[in-house]
Amino acid sequence: NAGVTQTPKFRVLKTGQSMTLLCAQDMNHEYMYWYRQDPGMGLRLIHYSVGEGTTAKGEVPDGYNVSRLKKQNFLLGLESAAPSQTSVYFCASSYFPKSRGSYSTDTQYFGPGTRLTVL
Amino acid sequence: ELKVEQNPLFLSMQEGKNYTIYCNYSTTSDRLYWYRQDPGKSLESLFVLLSNGAVKQEGRLMASLDTKARLSTLHITAAVHDLSATYFCAVEDRDSNYQLIWGAGTKLIIKP
Repeated sequence: NAGVTQTPKFRVLKTGQSMTLLCAQDMNHEYMYWYRQDPGMGLRLIHYSVGEGTTAKGEVPDGYNVSRLKKQNFLLGLESAAPSQTSVYFCASSYFPKSRGSYSTDTQYFGPGTRLTVL
Repeated sequence: ELKVEQNPLFLSMQEGKNYTIYCNYSTTSDRLYWYRQDPGKSLESLFVLLSNGAVKQEGRLMASLDTKARLSTLHITAAVHDLSATYFCAVEDRDSNYQLIWGAGTKLIIKP
């Protein structure tokens, strides 16, 4: 049971290049999330998915696209990377909140992160 | 719009001392989470607080929730160096598809 995994762990891009970050979870979670974390700030939600085939915008979606073709995978794409996208990216997953019990202590489970530098 | 404020943002303390981190939020929520992040690492869930007056304890950490005051506290008792980390609170926003709204984090340094 690997939990949430992310690929790659590190990446350096030049401005204008594209890349895809892969997130995979083996906990059969419905919800998946992509966050970015910048120094001195909390996590900011980029996009999320409430189930296979669905995606939705979070707080800072511009410059990113996502896809969820399979329940266990959530991909984050940067079509034309910019230095402002230099950050640490975290993927997370959770059960569908409405299906948990009122006293459930379920939470979001995080992957190890991807450190992206855009030059 | 739900906003979450943590304070202090930075805390340096001596081993053996007690201290409290505060998390205020702006609108009603049923759930509040505390996470820990070690430098260069991912986030680890510490506590999930579900109802008013909820108190949870794990070792030297104790978290509480006052939903009427919209305030959660994370209390550290007799701090030890191993507790040095950044601590985040996050509040669930039912009006935004149960997204978590995050505080900026409190960087805690505990000196021997």
